[in-house]
Amino acid sequence: DAGVTQSPTHLIKTRGQQVTLRCSPISGHKSVSWYQQVLGQGPQFIFQYYEKEERGRGNFPDRFSARQFPNYSSELNVNALLLGDSALYLCASSFPSQGAYEQYFGPGTRLTVT
Amino acid sequence: AQSVTQLDSHVSVSEGTPVLLRCNYSSSYSPSLFWYVQHPNKGLQLLLKYTSAATLVKGINGFEAEFKKSETSFHLTKPSAHMSDAAEYFCVVSFTGGGNKLTFGTGTQLKVEL
Repeated sequence: DAGVTQSPTHLIKTRGQQVTLRCSPISGHKSVSWYQQVLGQGPQFIFQYYEKEERGRGNFPDRFSARQFPNYSSELNVNALLLGDSALYLCASSFPSQGAYEQYFGPGTRLTVT
Repeated sequence: AQSVTQLDSHVSVSEGTPVLLRCNYSSSYSPSLFWYVQHPNKGLQLLLKYTSAATLVKGINGFEAEFKKSETSFHLTKPSAHMSDAAEYFCVVSFTGGGNKLTFGTGTQLKVEL
């Protein structure tokens, strides 16, 4: 079975631009979460979606938004990019919507903002 | 609030010797605890999880961890290190009722020498 997939793998953007990152969960998984991992740090929670609804949001500005589609895939959008948005963006999927179940991570999208 | 503290940012061992990566947690609720491993330029892989069943948890690749409530610890161990174990290890906490938000520690870089 395919794991969590993310696209693109790498991305270079300029300050002020907008970016969209994509994620496809493991087949059968209905929950998708997004994390930001800055170099040298642990991942930070951004969003969780389940059944197309936002179920959790981390401490990130409104420039960050996301959505989930009927097929459970998800997009993360970041507007007005800042240099500090340069990071590895990880998507994770899990089966239930609640409870502390393990999440399965994709390989990530490396975003560089210049 | 929940948090984890990884007590060592870097650990160096010789191949064939035991590995100990230390983690303390803080959670207002019954926690679920995980260890994830991240190899260079790769996504996060789940090593093992504790979710209020047996306090000694066995994971993949010979790793195990023991949940000690009295010490609020969840240390990761392996009897004999292998070169392929060299990676970044993250201790992660979540709690029942907290949805799918994972809170990561800052990571421990494990180096394995010949």
